[in-house]
Amino acid sequence: AQSVTQLDSHVSVSEGTPVLLRCNYSSSYSPSLFWYVQHPNKGLQLLLKYTSAATLVKGINGFEAEFKKSETSFHLTKPSAHMSDAAEYFCVVSAFTGNQFYFGTGTSLTVIP
Amino acid sequence: NAGVTQTPKFRVLKTGQSMTLLCAQDMNHEYMYWYRQDPGMGLRLIHYSVGEGTTAKGEVPDGYNVSRLKKQNFLLGLESAAPSQTSVYFCASGTSGYNEQFFGPGTRLTVL
Repeated sequence: AQSVTQLDSHVSVSEGTPVLLRCNYSSSYSPSLFWYVQHPNKGLQLLLKYTSAATLVKGINGFEAEFKKSETSFHLTKPSAHMSDAAEYFCVVSAFTGNQFYFGTGTSLTVIP
Repeated sequence: NAGVTQTPKFRVLKTGQSMTLLCAQDMNHEYMYWYRQDPGMGLRLIHYSVGEGTTAKGEVPDGYNVSRLKKQNFLLGLESAAPSQTSVYFCASGTSGYNEQFFGPGTRLTVL
């Protein structure tokens, strides 16, 4: 079975400081992992994905995530937050043998000027 | 390419009314999905399809039906709307269940 836990429902950072959004997953098989971003009243946009290649994955807008199998984690980071990063972020897991995505409940990121 | 489009963008229904949401994709994807998004619950899968003519139940299928008569279209039906179906509905498509999904802009449905 697959599941995702996003450890923080809300994160606030000051503009220019680092961002850390935490995600732990559970998967019976080799997982694919994704981070999606949703700006207010918009659809979901893919930030980055891990599909069993390099464990450090770089995405759009300066975001990156590291797949740590031993910790079953896939945390999202960015060195310096920008006001435009304020949004809802979803961690997602799927499995090679499956047909479905499993979403976390989301982390709302606030960026303080 | 338009990507994934959804019709309508907004809709208000009265309890007991029926409606159909249309999702269309122009990327020749085999897999299509319908989700609902409610505050604090992330996205939950309603139904999905792994190819033309096929459908399967997701996590929250009750009260919904779907059809995939053409590869590019995936319809979500509500036969008798209930206030509990007030939500934002997202359609998505992808090449497999393992790879990324591409999302539509969403439909905001209110059932009074």
